Amino acid sequence: AQSVAQPEDQVNVAEGNPLTVKCTYSVSGNPYLFWYVQYPNRGLQFLLKYITGDNLVKGSYGFEAEFNKSQTSFHLKKPSALVSDSALYFCAVRDNTGTASKLTFGTGTRLQVTL
Amino acid sequence: KAGVTQTPRYLIKTRGQQVTLSCSPISGHRSVSWYQQTPGQGLQFLFEYFSETQRNKGNFPGRFSGRQFSNSRSEMNVSTLELGDSALYLCASTEGAGGYTFGSGTRLTVV
Repeated sequence: AQSVAQPEDQVNVAEGNPLTVKCTYSVSGNPYLFWYVQYPNRGLQFLLKYITGDNLVKGSYGFEAEFNKSQTSFHLKKPSALVSDSALYFCAVRDNTGTASKLTFGTGTRLQVTL
Repeated sequence: KAGVTQTPRYLIKTRGQQVTLSCSPISGHRSVSWYQQTPGQGLQFLFEYFSETQRNKGNFPGRFSGRQFSNSRSEMNVSTLELGDSALYLCASTEGAGGYTFGSGTRLTVV
């Protein structure tokens, strides 16, 4: 069975500093990996995905993620954090077995960016 | 193009009642999946529909059901509501190997 781990419940960073939100995964076969962000009382907003190709994936709002197959990781990064980046971030992996399609999510990491 | 539309945004129901939530996917997307989000259990997969057929189901009791119409719109139904069913219910649509686009969700409160 596939799984995703986000080891940090919360990450605190000062505005202007780089940020990293960690994610590791476990799947059989090639992973399809995603990052989503959630603001209070809202749905999930897509940030980026990795399906194949370059290990460094660029996404929305200046975010990027690095796929590392040997470490089974897909960490989310941003060179310079903004206060408006404060939100809940979810890493997810897609089940690619057969024709069914579902996402398995990590437990989420709350990012707090302060002035 | 229009995003994923979920209605209603908020619902308050009494224990024992039933509820129906609606999801309209992005035009052209044939796959619709549903997720439940709670503080304790996080985001959990409920089921997925593709071309009117349930293609995948999560580990939820039979009180949770769904369907998909020929225009790809989907509904989910929860019967005999329990307090623990209070959650944010999210719908997502996708097509092929693309990403999943989520709606804003329906916040269900059971009292």
